[in-house]
Amino acid sequence: QSVLTQPPSVSAAPGQKVTISCSGSSSNIGKNYVSWYQQLPGTAPKLLISENNKRPSGIPDRFSGSKSGTSATLGITGLQTGDEADYYCGTWDSSLSAGVFGGGTKLTVL
Amino acid sequence: QVQLVESGGGVVQPGRSLRLSCAASGFTFSSYGMHWVRQAPGKGLEWVAVIWFDESYKQYVDSVKGRFTTSRDNSKNTLYLQMNSLRAEDTAVYYCARDYGGMGTTFDYWGQGTLVTVSS
Repeated sequence: QSVLTQPPSVSAAPGQKVTISCSGSSSNIGKNYVSWYQQLPGTAPKLLISENNKRPSGIPDRFSGSKSGTSATLGITGLQTGDEADYYCGTWDSSLSAGVFGGGTKLTVL
Repeated sequence: QVQLVESGGGVVQPGRSLRLSCAASGFTFSSYGMHWVRQAPGKGLEWVAVIWFDESYKQYVDSVKGRFTTSRDNSKNTLYLQMNSLRAEDTAVYYCARDYGGMGTTFDYWGQGTLVTVSS
């Protein structure tokens, strides 16, 4: 049971837009910055979004992040087959004094 | 370019110990906090431990407290995870990851991972 809650799967057609939600509490998302990671099959996770909505160098602007209260959202526009991956949200939980992740969301581009 | 390379994984019997290493290059290792994150087969990511750049702060997930210890040698640009009293549920790919250093807890670079299998 993950501290942060994500939908297990989402799907959309190529070229479309999808959003992935991440729900937490006042001790984690409500208090700390959220980051998002993409994990392609058989590879290590890769940072997509830091500090709620910042894209590292090299990450296309098709990827965006937002946060409101105790929830965060990852948005992906102009979906490509290469975007098929598992996506994770993460943050720090100030009550647990531990890093926490969502359970991951598998994106299928139909 | 930033590079993190884990080593030390393998098959180990329950109750035994293993030490993982993470060799860092391409950045000033002594200036960054570092994390361990693991992923059990077919499962999601689980944060394991953090160590600040100067070892002044360390923290662990509850399930490994008292069994795992993280340390670093800044002169060797290497991060370590000493794992004692291993259990079957510790079976996972273990990644080391650099802390972004900005606001919040963000892992901006990851190693390729090393597989630890705890089995008799």
